Amino acid sequence: QQKVQQSPESLIVPEGGMASLNCTSSDRNVDYFWWYRQHSGKSPKMLMSIFSNGEKEEGRFTVHLNKASLHTSLHIRDSQPSDSALYLCAASINYGNEKITFGAGTKLTIKP
Amino acid sequence: DPKIIQKPKYLVAVTGSEKILICEQYLGHNAMYWYRQSAKKPLEFMFSYSYQKLMDNQTASSRFQPQSSKKNHLDLQITALKPDDSATYFCASSGDINNQAPLFGEGTRLSVL
Repeated sequence: QQKVQQSPESLIVPEGGMASLNCTSSDRNVDYFWWYRQHSGKSPKMLMSIFSNGEKEEGRFTVHLNKASLHTSLHIRDSQPSDSALYLCAASINYGNEKITFGAGTKLTIKP
Repeated sequence: DPKIIQKPKYLVAVTGSEKILICEQYLGHNAMYWYRQSAKKPLEFMFSYSYQKLMDNQTASSRFQPQSSKKNHLDLQITALKPDDSATYFCASSGDINNQAPLFGEGTRLSVL
């Protein structure tokens, strides 16, 4: 069964700083990665997706993907207190009836 | 307005009882899912449905039974409840089961005493 590993488990970043989160899949058949953000007591909300090697930027958020190493990373620049949340990485495999597997998450705290 | 409605928001049950968690989506999506999240375990995939057909089941126990009476409904029946079943159960949907990110409902928080 595919595993999605995220690191670090928790991260504290000063307001205005850069947060870097990592995610690796154990399955070579992974095709797609998503990043979700989950504020405390709320449901996960999809933040960004990446399917091809390289980099994708949306506002303060940048994701990288290296398919050879099955590694994706999420970088948040100019971090704000509202960015404090659990960040979940999800990976999908194309078996035809694929399910999406989530990692355990990185708990990000932005300190004012 | 929420597009994925889960009922109830909070549920307290006694050990051994049976409960049904309700989920309806008004997004016109063809795929629906159930996930579970607790303090002890991360967000965990349970079931996926596409066009009302079960596509994947990663739940070891037959005590968990999804029920799809309509394309936009996917309820979850849980029998013989145990304290370990205490968790937040999230229903999700996507336009298609093929690699479209699920959109989550707000969840049902279940406590089993």
